Amino acid sequence: DQQVKQNSPSLSVQEGRISILNCDYTNSMFDYFLWYKKYPAEGPTFLISISSIKDKNEDGRFTVFLNKSAKHLSLHIVPSQPGDSAVYFCAASGVDSSYKLIFGSGTRLLVRP
Amino acid sequence: ETGVTQTPRHLVMGMTNKKSLKCEQHLGHNAMYWYKQSAKKPLELMFVYNFKEQTENNSVPSRFSPECPNSSHLFLHLHTLQPEDSALYLCASSLGTGGLSNEQFFGPGTRLTVL
Repeated sequence: DQQVKQNSPSLSVQEGRISILNCDYTNSMFDYFLWYKKYPAEGPTFLISISSIKDKNEDGRFTVFLNKSAKHLSLHIVPSQPGDSAVYFCAASGVDSSYKLIFGSGTRLLVRP
Repeated sequence: ETGVTQTPRHLVMGMTNKKSLKCEQHLGHNAMYWYKQSAKKPLELMFVYNFKEQTENNSVPSRFSPECPNSSHLFLHLHTLQPEDSALYLCASSLGTGGLSNEQFFGPGTRLTVL
């Protein structure tokens, strides 16, 4: 059973609008969450992270929100740009297996010009 | 050369071949990882090395054999693979293996096809 789930395999957004990518997790021991971005023929690149002691972390156009009670996190990209088109993976790790990053299956974002 | 590099980028091999994948990191990290990414599946952790010592073998078949001669280099030796082993193999490194030091940096991957 997947501990980290990204239920939307794809998302299409108009340039300039907000992109919201969602991620749900089941393990309450997870305390550190990351988002990675992957272009075709490249490895995933780290985008932004959040610790469970926070509920929001912002870096430029990217903001990650964490709702611990709902075991849900989301990545907001605003304004979206065509260069943001990629596959986005969320990942989680926890004190019980801190070096294991458990990845979701990814959401493919397409930003239309 | 910076970051995490992997060679070869593409590999086609028969089921009786022996080949090796190579990963090198230039980030001064102490931990290195092998992941497998199959189509439409999450990344699957295969092996973890911390300070050259293997700390995780995630129930990987013995036809995959990792080697970590030092903290900068990681190999994955392949022999008698099956067609279902065809996937993208990603190497990653991190400063450490706990908490915030676990931010992992990935290489571009090796696209492996087993005929």
